[in-house]
Amino acid sequence: AQTVTQSQPEMSVQEAETVTLSCTYDTSESDYYLFWYKQPPSRQMILVIRQEAYKQQNATENRFSVNFQKAAKSFSLKISDSQLGDAAMYFCASMNRDDKIIFGKGTRLHILP
Amino acid sequence: GAVVSQHPSRVICKSGTSVKIECRSLDFQATTMFWYRQFPKQSLMLMATSNEGSKATYEQGVEKDKFLINHASLTLSTLTVTSAHPEDSSFYICSARYFGTGRDNEQFFGPGTRLTVL
Repeated sequence: AQTVTQSQPEMSVQEAETVTLSCTYDTSESDYYLFWYKQPPSRQMILVIRQEAYKQQNATENRFSVNFQKAAKSFSLKISDSQLGDAAMYFCASMNRDDKIIFGKGTRLHILP
Repeated sequence: GAVVSQHPSRVICKSGTSVKIECRSLDFQATTMFWYRQFPKQSLMLMATSNEGSKATYEQGVEKDKFLINHASLTLSTLTVTSAHPEDSSFYICSARYFGTGRDNEQFFGPGTRLTVL
């Protein structure tokens, strides 16, 4: 079974600063994907970044990057130069070969102007 | 590209009635679609996997007779909430798995449907 744990229900960061959202996961499979999704007030799920487990290099997408620690089963998201539009709910998620995406409980990110 | 739509975006119904929610992949084919449920201020919980041309598979604790799923084509899956009750009120989200090469198992999410049962 897969589990995803996000231990930070809420976080705040000053605009233009950097923030890191934490996530740990557990899976018995060796082949899996990890994701960070953003859910703004519209509730549309937006893929922020994805990481294939077999890749050692951390994924990056512009201001978003991850720290993937496979042995520790840790997958944190770093947002650099935070912007007001980054305010949203962020979900960490994992997907095994069965394509089922399992989500963590989420972290609500507030951006302080 | 890779757009998924849901219809309706919101629906209000009376207790005891049935409600159908459609999930469509607009510009790609999807052999597999997934249905999630999200209660206020909570995470998405996977309800079932919808496979084109075959029966859906349901997650533990999800009543298959309550939540009927039909995946009639490569672009359409429907979720019918039968005999709806107030506790079925929730936000329902679908996702569609891209079928083909070049997308690497990527899934795309619909905008969700808010169901309110009176």
